[in-house]
Amino acid sequence: NAGVTQTPKFQVLKTGQSMTLQCAQDMNHEYMSWYRQDPGMGLRLIHYSVGAGITDQGEVPNGYNVSRSTTEDFPLRLLSAAPSQTSVYFCASRGSASGANVLTFGAGSRLTVL
Amino acid sequence: RKEVEQDPGPFNVPEGATVAFNCTYSNSASQSFFWYRQDCRKEPKLLMSVYSSGNEDGRFTAQLNRASQYISLLIRDSKLSDSATYLCVVHSGGYQKVTFGTGTKLQVIP
Repeated sequence: NAGVTQTPKFQVLKTGQSMTLQCAQDMNHEYMSWYRQDPGMGLRLIHYSVGAGITDQGEVPNGYNVSRSTTEDFPLRLLSAAPSQTSVYFCASRGSASGANVLTFGAGSRLTVL
Repeated sequence: RKEVEQDPGPFNVPEGATVAFNCTYSNSASQSFFWYRQDCRKEPKLLMSVYSSGNEDGRFTAQLNRASQYISLLIRDSKLSDSATYLCVVHSGGYQKVTFGTGTKLQVIP
């Protein structure tokens, strides 16, 4: 099925460990993004990309890196995990056609940092 | 003041009731508006876009009031399956400027 695929669905890390959350979409969308969702905070943009080779920071980029080597993939790297990064992470994409402001989300990755 | 504000609820309503949510936004230059639905522990999914003239999709009606800077969602004849959190989303131009409200939780009771 076409859509946004995120892995892993669940992850537990110790403080200081690093990991990569994977995101792939098969809709040929140019725009991809990563959000985190915390209770009472709403979804906050971490990083986004408007095409292969182009990335930029969102509202809460500190502690995270991204790259976009292909149109399909947009991995999110946690460099040195901290308990404050315990959250639910969503990858989202959207196309450039009419109705392009509509985001399609992946199923989410629940991260716990101990 | 938050850019997008919603009453977190919960709104507990009986089946068959009509319920309305409002969402206020602070940026008068905001361009497009949406309601997303998020089920517990799931990803947000688009419910409907909100147009200046208002729009309806079955039991759901969305309206935009630019003068007062709010959007609304009306749900008629509530079903148990409508129980979810409803997120207000405002797009203010540019790739970064998509702002999510914190959501309003709806619980429809048998």
